[in-house]
Amino acid sequence: ELKVEQNPLFLSMQEGKNYTIYCNYSTTSDRLYWYRQDPGKSLESLFVLLSNGAVKQEGRLMASLDTKARLSTLHITAAVHDLSATYFCAVDAGNQFYFGTGTSLTVIP
Amino acid sequence: DAGITQSPRHKVTETGTPVTLRCHQTENHRYMYWYRQDPGHGLRLIHYSYGVKDTDKGEVSDGYSVSRSKTEDFLLTLESATSSQTSVYFCATVSGRGSYEQYFGPGTRLTVT
Repeated sequence: ELKVEQNPLFLSMQEGKNYTIYCNYSTTSDRLYWYRQDPGKSLESLFVLLSNGAVKQEGRLMASLDTKARLSTLHITAAVHDLSATYFCAVDAGNQFYFGTGTSLTVIP
Repeated sequence: DAGITQSPRHKVTETGTPVTLRCHQTENHRYMYWYRQDPGHGLRLIHYSYGVKDTDKGEVSDGYSVSRSKTEDFLLTLESATSSQTSVYFCATVSGRGSYEQYFGPGTRLTVT
């Protein structure tokens, strides 16, 4: 059974601080995705990582992929309140996508 | 935005009744997916389609069936709704033309009483 594990599940951080969310997965896959979900809303695609060593950055968020370690990270730099949301990683195995359980991030002023 | 709509957006139904949820897309994307989202489980794949009349099961397909008779529409049917199928259902698409990015619909909140 393919597993995608995120940690932490809950994260409360102060504005201006840095933190990393981790995503481990149990299958060989070169494709890893990060999504954001605001309460009561749908999912929004943040990053698509398509190869080992891929790194993508958008604003205060940076995602990376290490396919050998089966690990992706989402790094948050100098957090602001607007980043409060739930973040999901997902792995592509053939035609199917498997999601982590999500990391609920709260940024405190 | 892949022009994805879902209907209905909210539904309350009774145990044992059949329910059909509709996903409609306007971008001619090849792949379409149905997920359910429950607290503590993230999103779990129910069924997916890789073309008209081509569908396959996901990890939580029991009690659900799907149909895709046109590229733009993907229907999810709960044959006999149970309380355990109370959830938020999301449809998603992937273009399949060299892009792996998933686009999600707004979701349908289903309550089975």
